[in-house]
Amino acid sequence: ETGVTQSPTHLIKTRGQQVTLRCSSQSGHNTVSWYQQALGQGPQFIFQYYREEENGRGNFPPRFSGLQFPNYSSELNVNALELDDSALYLCASSLKREVGTQYFGPGTRLLVL
Amino acid sequence: DQQVKQNSPSLSVQEGRISILNCDYTNSMFDYFLWYKKYPAEGPTFLISISSIKDKNEDGRFTVFLNKSAKHLSLHIVPSQPGDSAVYFCAARDTGSARQLTFGSGTQLTVLP
Repeated sequence: ETGVTQSPTHLIKTRGQQVTLRCSSQSGHNTVSWYQQALGQGPQFIFQYYREEENGRGNFPPRFSGLQFPNYSSELNVNALELDDSALYLCASSLKREVGTQYFGPGTRLLVL
Repeated sequence: DQQVKQNSPSLSVQEGRISILNCDYTNSMFDYFLWYKKYPAEGPTFLISISSIKDKNEDGRFTVFLNKSAKHLSLHIVPSQPGDSAVYFCAARDTGSARQLTFGSGTQLTVLP
C-alpha cells in the first residue's frame, strides 16, 4: 500500500504566474484535503474534495482552485501568484467516514519571487 | 483570529522525563482533537486523538488530556526519547461537512540524551 505522494518537491515561480501542484492519494482513500503551511505556522485548510466535488473551503480566494480525478489523485491550481503564496503545500487523504485521521504527503515547497 | 493556539514554540526535555505539550482553543463547536508529529522534509503524521466527549485517551507512551471547561488540551509523552524530537501540532476538527482541521502553530520538542 503506497502512501500519499506529491509532486514536484520544490518549485520556484515569479509573481503573476500560475502553478499546478499534484497529489496522489493513499490507496482506497476517497477524500483529499489541501493545506498551506507558511513558515513558522501550522497548516491552514484550503479546501477538500470528495468524489471529485469540492466539499468545503477555507478562507482562500478563488484563484486557489482544485480538481480531483476518478482515481482520487488531485491537483491544486493557483493563479496570479503573489509573494505571500510562498509556502509548503500539503495534501492529505482520508476515507470520508473516518474520524479526522488524515494521511499527509511530504508537501511541495513553493517559492514566489 | 487563531482558534487553536500553541503558545510554546519550543520545549526541551531530558531523555526519560515527561514532555508536556499544551494547546488552547476557542471554538466550542470542535468535536474532535488530534495531535500530529512532523519531522523535517516530511508531512505531519497522526499521533493520537480524543473525542470531545472524553477527557483522556492513552496510547502507549502518549496520553492526551482534554479539559473542555478550560478549552485546553495537553499531550504527555512518558518517557521521552530522542526520537520524539519533532514539531508537534495540535488540531481541532469542526462539525461542518468537510470536517476540516484547524491547526495550531506547532511546538518544537527537543529531547536531550
